[in-house]
Amino acid sequence: EPEVTQTPSHQVTQMGQEVILRCVPISNHLYFYWYRQILGQKVEFLVSFYNNEISEKSEIFDDQFSVERPDGSNFTLKIRSTKLEDSAMYFCASNRLAGRNNEQFFGPGTRLTVL
Amino acid sequence: GESVGLHLPTLSVQEGDNSIINCAYSNSASDYFIWYKQESGKGPQFIIDIRSNMDKRQGQRVTVLLNKTVKHLSLQIAATQPGDSAVYFCAETGTASKLTFGTGTRLQVTL
Repeated sequence: EPEVTQTPSHQVTQMGQEVILRCVPISNHLYFYWYRQILGQKVEFLVSFYNNEISEKSEIFDDQFSVERPDGSNFTLKIRSTKLEDSAMYFCASNRLAGRNNEQFFGPGTRLTVL
Repeated sequence: GESVGLHLPTLSVQEGDNSIINCAYSNSASDYFIWYKQESGKGPQFIIDIRSNMDKRQGQRVTVLLNKTVKHLSLQIAATQPGDSAVYFCAETGTASKLTFGTGTRLQVTL
């Protein structure tokens, strides 16, 4: 069964450093998302991406964040200058049809630890 | 893996009993709802969904009930098994494609 994959599973970085989190969505999916989950809290939407551009972003997704689909298979989330409060699980998700009324498939997540 | 939801409400049930997990949503424009299961160290896994034009939907051992009047969603798991132990989140979509998640409930199945 096809699945969303994410690398690395755990990323440790120093505050102020740039990180890139990588995702490979399911191959025939067209809509891509990043969510994050701070320890002990609920899953929060960051950004949605379709047709090589951002469809929607949340207040969390400020100028320090960017997304890219560089090669038709990978979908990346970059944080330019990490802060302590960026420590969280980051989940990539994708779906095939329009986002509404269609299940989003989630990857296993990347645990980001900012020291 | 490290557990999430350390401060989540917890529901403890005995193996074989039925479980009912509740969720309240606030956006009256939401028209699609999903229940996700999250095991420790893993991403959310789809369980069942329901559209706003329905009030009940059944899957294998699971039933979702939607009460739009009071903006309430519930997940019923029949004959709960140890493998059902996880954190359960409801999620909704409204006018946009993003999912808005609830706070989650930890289900503990005791033998």
